[in-house]
Amino acid sequence: KAGVTQTPRYLIKTRGQQVTLSCSPISGHRSVSWYQQTPGQGLQFLFEYFSETQRNKGNFPGRFSGRQFSNSRSEMNVSTLELGDSALYLCASSADRSEFFGPGTRLTVL
Amino acid sequence: KQEVTQIPAALSVPEGENLVLNCSFTDSAIYNLQWFRQDPGKGLTSLLLIQSSQREQTSGRLNASLDKSSGRSTLYIAASQPGDSATYLCAVRSSWVDSNYQLIWGAGTKLIIKP
Repeated sequence: KAGVTQTPRYLIKTRGQQVTLSCSPISGHRSVSWYQQTPGQGLQFLFEYFSETQRNKGNFPGRFSGRQFSNSRSEMNVSTLELGDSALYLCASSADRSEFFGPGTRLTVL
Repeated sequence: KQEVTQIPAALSVPEGENLVLNCSFTDSAIYNLQWFRQDPGKGLTSLLLIQSSQREQTSGRLNASLDKSSGRSTLYIAASQPGDSATYLCAVRSSWVDSNYQLIWGAGTKLIIKP
């Protein structure tokens, strides 16, 4: 079974721009979660989607949004990028409440 | 509110030693607990998953235990190797339905195995 894939792996943007990250879960997994990881804050939960519906949401501003498609693939979008958005963004798919993570997208905001 | 703590934050040991990483949580109403490994700049790899009804899980040189009553889990690594160097994270999934079974994370233990 193929693992969780995330694209792109690396991204450089400037302040004020927007970005879209993509995640393809393990085949058959219907739940996709997104996390932000920074050296200072550690792993922080962004949101979770299940069957195209947002099931859970962390404490992030509205600039962070996501969606899930009928094939369970998910995208997250960050608008009006700030320097502090520089981080490793991790996607996880789950089945039976066991998480499997992708390699992450490293976003650098200049 | 569930809180997860991992002590120590960092650990450096010589190769070959057996070692224990600790994870504690404040609310015993958990659905499961998962141990992950993260190499620098990489994603997380699931090591072991313990359901709330289980006491321990083993995989190769790794053994994880769970004591819900005391709010503790330990990850035991036998015969450590330099390749075990990584950050180890513990995550607890709450069993409260209104939490939507969200994962609560510890800050991790950075492990260095010296050759």
